[in-house]
Amino acid sequence: QVQLVQSGTEVRTPGASVMLSCKTSGYSFIKYYMHWLRQAPGQGLEWMGLVIPNGGGTEYAQKLQGRLTVTRDTSTGTVYMDLSSLRSEDTAVYYCARGQSVEAGPNSHFDYWGQGSLVTVSS
Amino acid sequence: DIQMTQSPSTLSASVGDRVTITCRASQSISIWLAWYQQKPGKAPKLLIYRASTLESGVPSRFSGSGSGTEFTLTISSLQPDDFATYYCQHYSSHSTFGPGTKVDI
Repeated sequence: QVQLVQSGTEVRTPGASVMLSCKTSGYSFIKYYMHWLRQAPGQGLEWMGLVIPNGGGTEYAQKLQGRLTVTRDTSTGTVYMDLSSLRSEDTAVYYCARGQSVEAGPNSHFDYWGQGSLVTVSS
Repeated sequence: DIQMTQSPSTLSASVGDRVTITCRASQSISIWLAWYQQKPGKAPKLLIYRASTLESGVPSRFSGSGSGTEFTLTISSLQPDDFATYYCQHYSSHSTFGPGTKVDI
């Protein structure tokens, strides 16, 4: 069965960076886009960016351009999210999620989600 | 960017009720809309995509309709497991979510 397992809770001070991982299994990794989303406490969901697994290309939300880097390791089926220059407003639960197949295009609903990783940014 | 709104923001209902949630887009998104259910502390669960296609394994009491700018999610007979927050998401270009509708007792 398809599984997305994320790394654990992180605490950072303002200005620091954080890297999260998302290890996939149960399907052909290179055939589906992978996305990162986040949800601030008590708030809604925000799409952050995606990676094209079979080429490594990326797309990012405009507000995160320059601070967000999404990468992947096809040998392990793992996707990474690196967010730099952290601010208090980056405190959120971060999710990886599987999008559509690469043939269908990057704009997508999300059928499988990781369990979420809490990132707290506080001085 | 396309903005998504949902109404109502909170909905009080009882088991067995028929429940309808509305989602509106700031411009036409054709049928590129999905609905999710989220329970506290859990990841969202996909219910419906392409406005009206039921995700595999989702009970048939859930249904979706609409196109263009107005969409609805209907639960035909609310069950105890359905008390949750529901989000719509457009994916006509990148992605934006609605603010959510909390369904409670």
